Amino acid sequence: DIQMTQSPSTLSASVGDRVTITCRASQSISSWLAWYQQKPGKAPKLLIYKASSLESGVPSRFSGSGSGTEFTLTISSLQPDDFATYYCQQYNTPLRTFGQGTKVEIK
Amino acid sequence: EVQLVESGGGLVKPGGSLRLSCAASGFTFSSYSMNWVRQAPGKGLEWVSSISSSSSYIYYADSVKGRFTISRDNAKNSLYLQMNSLRAEDTAVYYCARDANNWDVWGKGTTVTVSS
Repeated sequence: DIQMTQSPSTLSASVGDRVTITCRASQSISSWLAWYQQKPGKAPKLLIYKASSLESGVPSRFSGSGSGTEFTLTISSLQPDDFATYYCQQYNTPLRTFGQGTKVEIK
Repeated sequence: EVQLVESGGGLVKPGGSLRLSCAASGFTFSSYSMNWVRQAPGKGLEWVSSISSSSSYIYYADSVKGRFTISRDNAKNSLYLQMNSLRAEDTAVYYCARDANNWDVWGKGTTVTVSS
């Protein structure tokens, strides 16, 4: 199975900060990577697919990059609504795997 | 409105069984693969199982293989997860998600608690 490792596990930031989350795959997944945002008690929400494609309706301050084994999710200017947990997910193989999550907290 | 609604969760004793359902509406259910994902209390997301649009391809996480069975009824726009031999570690919120390669539509989840 492909293992997905996110860093950091927790991130403390302020409104307006630029935030970057990294996701590494244990083997190449080409660009078959998605990013999700999850708030407490809610279902995950798709933000980015195919590593860098922005899902419809998602603010443009979110962006994704990378290919192969290393990927990043960037929030260009953190907003109050962005404090949440973020997960990467590979879909290169039928056995889908998620990263362990990155919690973005208020500094 | 595109929607997924899970049901069937509850409290069950270790070794017991439960069947989850996911009702789809607002889209052509038979055109999409579907998935079950779970989230244990305070933990991250764990993919559980996937089924292709015509049920030709089915996959399971190692943690549930041999105990859980995914199925679907395209005529009823419904996805199912039969869970047998349940363990305490199966306690989680279970979500169904539409698979358009990326998982763009999720239900709100149903809670399964395995406890004596």
